[in-house]
Amino acid sequence: EDQVTQSPEALRLQEGESSSLNCSYTVSGLRGLFWYRQDPGKGPEFLFTLYSAGEEKEKERLKATLTKKESFLHITAPKPEDSATYLCAVQAGGSARQLTFGSGTQLTVLP
Amino acid sequence: GAGVSQSPRYKVAKRGQDVALRCDPISGHVSLFWYQQALGQGPEFLTYFQNEAQLDKSGLPSDRFFAERPEGSVSTLKIQRTQQEDSAVYLCASSLAKPGVGGYEQYFGPGTRLTVT
Repeated sequence: EDQVTQSPEALRLQEGESSSLNCSYTVSGLRGLFWYRQDPGKGPEFLFTLYSAGEEKEKERLKATLTKKESFLHITAPKPEDSATYLCAVQAGGSARQLTFGSGTQLTVLP
Repeated sequence: GAGVSQSPRYKVAKRGQDVALRCDPISGHVSLFWYQQALGQGPEFLTYFQNEAQLDKSGLPSDRFFAERPEGSVSTLKIQRTQQEDSAVYLCASSLAKPGVGGYEQYFGPGTRLTVT
């Protein structure tokens, strides 16, 4: 059974204080690992897809990395508008197409 | 361009009523997914369509849940005889997912918050 565990559950940062969110996973044949951002009352917003160990992707203050067992979302010099819940999900290989999500990390960036 | 849209955004149903939730995917997206999200949790898979074919319904929690996508575009999730445990946010997502092209990322709608009283 595919499993995704995210840590920490909640993280409070001061504006400008860089940190990392962790996503550990077990999956039968990884097709892709996905990061989403979710604001209260909204659907998840796609951020990144990572396909193989060693891959990295960046977008503004966010950088996602992937190993064979986990992924990290690094946030550099965060701003209050980065406050949201960050969700990690995996898609297994084979015929399955659905995403298996972790419970998310709720990030709060204080001004 | 237009994203995934869902209606209604909020639905209050009395226990035992039937409800229908609608999803309009991104135009041209082959795959459509329904997920259920409880408060403080990540979305959980319910069912998956490729065009009009329902290829996986393993996540539907009971036979009271039914989904359809008759013309390969708009989809409806129907819940019969609603129970309090059905209260959740129901999310729809679509993806391009064309073999050889990729596009496996899923784009989500805003969700329908269902409250069963």
